[in-house]
Amino acid sequence: AQSVTQLGSHVSVSEGALVLLRCNYSSSVPPYLFWYVQYPNQGLQLLLKYTTGATLVKGINGFEAEFKKSETSFHLTKPSAHMSDAAEYFCAVTDSGGSNYKLTFGKGTLLTVNP
Amino acid sequence: DAGITQSPRHKVTETGTPVTLRCHQTENHRYMYWYRQDPGHGLRLIHYSYGVKDTDKGEVSDGYSVSRSKTEDFLLTLESATSSQTSVYFCAISERSNQPQHFGDGTRLSIL
Repeated sequence: AQSVTQLGSHVSVSEGALVLLRCNYSSSVPPYLFWYVQYPNQGLQLLLKYTTGATLVKGINGFEAEFKKSETSFHLTKPSAHMSDAAEYFCAVTDSGGSNYKLTFGKGTLLTVNP
Repeated sequence: DAGITQSPRHKVTETGTPVTLRCHQTENHRYMYWYRQDPGHGLRLIHYSYGVKDTDKGEVSDGYSVSRSKTEDFLLTLESATSSQTSVYFCAISERSNQPQHFGDGTRLSIL
């Protein structure tokens, strides 16, 4: 079964600083990879996805992520943090168990943005 | 936003009582999922459905059952609720299993 590791359960940055949220997965075959964001008392929203093709993926709200197969990583970045980016972020990877893929989620990283 | 409605949004009940949570979609998507979210655990899959009357277990299925009698509705039942099932429950849908899932707003369930 897949496992997803998000390094750092809590990341704090200043407004305007670089955001880097780390995600590593275990897989011997290229998976499908996703980042989701969750604002307080809401469900998860898709930020971006990697399926095939270009390894640098751009998402909503200025976020992007790069799939690095050799490092089994899919880190999320944003050049300049905004107060509205404060939320919890989840990395997820597909688990190709048979004909139905299932998502395995990391435990999440809470991003705090300081003024 | 994907048309997903979870009901109820909040529920408080007692240990040993049966509880049913409902997920209703208007997107006609084939796949539907139930997750629970607990601090420090992220989201964990309980059960999922890949069509009407077609369901399968997820990572944390013990103590839960599901039913899907029509495309738009996916029910999660706790036959005899326990305090360890206190959690926030999310429903998700997807058109294909390798496509992004879209989430409902969640049901906060407290079992006393």
